[in-house]
Amino acid sequence: GAVVSQHPSWVICKSGTSVKIECRSLDFQATTMFWYRQFPKQSLMLMATSNEGSKATYEQGVEKDKFLINHASLTLSTLTVTSAHPEDSSFYICSASSASGPQETQYFGPGTRLLVL
Amino acid sequence: GNSVTQMEGPVTLSEEAFLTINCTYTATGYPSLFWYVQYPGEGLQLLLKATKADDKGSNKGFEATYRKETTSFHLEKGSVQVSDSAVYFCALSDQGGGNKLTFGTGTQLKVEL
Repeated sequence: GAVVSQHPSWVICKSGTSVKIECRSLDFQATTMFWYRQFPKQSLMLMATSNEGSKATYEQGVEKDKFLINHASLTLSTLTVTSAHPEDSSFYICSASSASGPQETQYFGPGTRLLVL
Repeated sequence: GNSVTQMEGPVTLSEEAFLTINCTYTATGYPSLFWYVQYPGEGLQLLLKATKADDKGSNKGFEATYRKETTSFHLEKGSVQVSDSAVYFCALSDQGGGNKLTFGTGTQLKVEL
């Protein structure tokens, strides 16, 4: 099956620093990648949708300047949390799809746990 | 807008018991429906899906039938195992949103010996 990886799997950083999380599709070309945030014991909240070579589309309430998304190639998308604060601590999950459309399956990465001190 | 409602957990069962996790949805179009499973400390894995009414998705002994008349997609398994302990998410995507997923809140399943 389709495999999506994330790196790092967990990261601890100091308040005010920036953290970059990578999402890679290992065995397929991902025309669309999604970034989610998951709080403990809660569902996934979609943050943004990115298509290769174009700007990401952010969901309402998500700060574009704080969560920078780059989808530079068909196998790589990055999420950079800029000037991180403790309230940004969360589990960040990416997913990838080989095509757009409601029938297309999203394949999820294992997630990155971010702790901001 | 689209929404997915799941039964609240946690659901605690003995091994070999029958499992049902209810899921109902609201959508403007004709959505595709999914069940994802999240094992402790891991990301989501697709469990099964159905893309049109009356379709039945099945995998690893789990199954769910797309019921348009009741707008439901309940997850069932005849005999659960301890290894099935996880959080299960029902989700939908519809034509209006491309393949953007709307998730339910998740249902935690605990299976005991």
